[in-house]
Amino acid sequence: QSVLTQPPSASGTPGQRVTISCSGSSSNIGSNSVNWYQQLPGTAPKLLIYSNHQRPSGVPDRFSGSKSGTSASLAISGLQSEDEADYSCAVWDDSLNGYVFGTGTKVTVL
Amino acid sequence: QVQLQQSGPGLVKPSQTLSLTCAISDDSVSNNSAAWNWIRQSPSRGLEWLGRTYYRSKWYNDYAVSVKSRITINPDTSKNQFSLQLNSVTPEDTAVYYCAREFNWGYWYFDLWGRGTLVIVSS
Repeated sequence: QSVLTQPPSASGTPGQRVTISCSGSSSNIGSNSVNWYQQLPGTAPKLLIYSNHQRPSGVPDRFSGSKSGTSASLAISGLQSEDEADYSCAVWDDSLNGYVFGTGTKVTVL
Repeated sequence: QVQLQQSGPGLVKPSQTLSLTCAISDDSVSNNSAAWNWIRQSPSRGLEWLGRTYYRSKWYNDYAVSVKSRITINPDTSKNQFSLQLNSVTPEDTAVYYCAREFNWGYWYFDLWGRGTLVIVSS
């Protein structure tokens, strides 16, 4: 029932570039900043990108984010085996007056 | 180092109340630059924000529409913690429940998470 749509899966070989989309609406992505979270198996989500494209300290620069209109994207360049995880976008929704998360994308390194 | 320590039962019977607590170390539940959230995750629903409590001269709460009639999030300043109560649970409420700090570092985001508590709703 999430209002943010992501592809369920994405994959690539080591070194490749993988892109994950997050599609929303004018009341969420269209109005507010998007954050991305990475979740390794069995652990809590960890902040990966904030304010659409900013990287917290310690996050490798192979991770990048962007936003255009009511959609956002996360790109992983130079894919590495340790990038195998679930990735979710999140944003405040002005109509719902609450946070909404994306449906989540599982990235597999082939 | 700021940490969130979750506690509460892992098994709740249908129609009963789910209760979890999140203890905060090295920060304050009354911090004007923070909000204290509950988020859950299940295979069928993914990550789902449930609600938050925060202090800005007085206490405020925001709740997700999906659980608004059943949820209460309360701060406890004497113990520096906050709690989640979810009433009238059904098996659909089975999930891993996380507490999380939302902090204003110039931008708001969930920067700190508890380890998660698996709660199973079953008789």
